[in-house]
Amino acid sequence: QVQVVQSGAEVKKPGASVKVSCKASGYTFTGYHVHWVRQAPGQGLEWMGWIDPDNGDTSYAQQFQGRVTMTTDTSISTAYMELNRLRSDDTAVYYCARDKWFGDLKYYMDVWGKGTTVTVSS
Amino acid sequence: QSALTQPASVSGSPGQSITISCTGTSSDVGGYKYVSWYQQYPGKAPKLMLYDVSNRPSGVSNRFSGSKSGNTASLTISGLQAEDEADYYCSSYTTSNTGVFGGGTKLTVL
Repeated sequence: QVQVVQSGAEVKKPGASVKVSCKASGYTFTGYHVHWVRQAPGQGLEWMGWIDPDNGDTSYAQQFQGRVTMTTDTSISTAYMELNRLRSDDTAVYYCARDKWFGDLKYYMDVWGKGTTVTVSS
Repeated sequence: QSALTQPASVSGSPGQSITISCTGTSSDVGGYKYVSWYQQYPGKAPKLMLYDVSNRPSGVSNRFSGSKSGNTASLTISGLQAEDEADYYCSSYTTSNTGVFGGGTKLTVL
């Protein structure tokens, strides 16, 4: 079945980096954009950016520019989100999600991972 | 990019209808039809409920409907059921080729 499986929880110190993975299965990985969304404890959803696995194009939310890097490894159908210079307010659940449309980008996320909890604490 | 504006909470009794608004600007909600809605239960990933303002993915109940007027989109749930109690988020494409979510609305079924 179509699914994306994320890596496990991470605990990081302020100033460190974290890299979360998102492995896709059941569909053509290069045909669909991948979004990253985060949710701080008790807060709402925050869109972080997307990557096109077909060509590596990316778009990042302004608040993450310079700190986030999204990449893919098409040989293993896996997307990655790396966030640098972590702060305590980066503590959140990080989700990857597939865009709904094959070969297009509409910002409709139809397949979600279960989320990866990233805790930033000294 | 500021978050879209949603009411923090709404409530309704079983069988009733409720509407959740989502207000943005001409640079996002008002400028495009790329508005979607998500349902999220505590501790779970969001689920796509509507896209293109009012289209339902396969498997989503027809009790969920959407509309848009100007810079405000709306989600209506008719025939409210206990299982509808969840958080709901709107989302939109923006002129910056980025996405933005609303702040979320907690729906309570009385």
